[in-house]
Amino acid sequence: EAQVTQNPRYLITVTGKKLTVTCSQNMNHEYMSWYRQDPGLGLRQIYYSMNVEVTDKGDVPEGYKVSRKEKRNFPLILESPSPNQTSLYFCASSSGPHRESRVGELFFGEGSRLTVL
Amino acid sequence: KQEVTQIPAALSVPEGENLVLNCSFTDSAIYNLQWFRQDPGKGLTSLLLIQSSQREQTSGRLNASLDKSSGRSTLYIAASQPGDSATYLCAVVRGAQKLVFGQGTRLTINP
Repeated sequence: EAQVTQNPRYLITVTGKKLTVTCSQNMNHEYMSWYRQDPGLGLRQIYYSMNVEVTDKGDVPEGYKVSRKEKRNFPLILESPSPNQTSLYFCASSSGPHRESRVGELFFGEGSRLTVL
Repeated sequence: KQEVTQIPAALSVPEGENLVLNCSFTDSAIYNLQWFRQDPGKGLTSLLLIQSSQREQTSGRLNASLDKSSGRSTLYIAASQPGDSATYLCAVVRGAQKLVFGQGTRLTINP
């Protein structure tokens, strides 16, 4: 089954304790991206990756890091979490813009709800 | 800066009605536009993708249109059903897959 898997789904942590949210896709997609969803602000893009070792900032990258060492994995790293990073996080993948038949259709994970105390 | 607006924020209609959801964007230089649905506590599910060169796409009871010149897209849902109740989001894709989302329309279909 084609899917995007995020872990953990729920996490409560404390300020300053480094954490990683993993994201893995089994569709051999080139493009992967991270979003956060907040009430009143909607979904905002944090980082995206066009392929292995190619990453770029979205609209709200501050306080986050990513890496893309393998095609299937795109972890989101919070080096020193703060309470304003409490949010619902989504990972998504896509076949990318060069395949005309499925250009850009996004597949989302189920979300990771993070609370930073 | 690209801004995406969805009106109304919430909509409640009786079962069986046809309805239209609206999405407007400020910058017409988009790569494509996508419509999603989000169920409570769930991720987003892709419904329709319209390339910038296209004017509409259809999937079952759903039809999405795109008018780049006016910065508007509409999602038409025919013969609505209670199972269509969800939040519907549109997103415009610009440049190398940078996405900007609207805040969504929360749709309730009453039996």
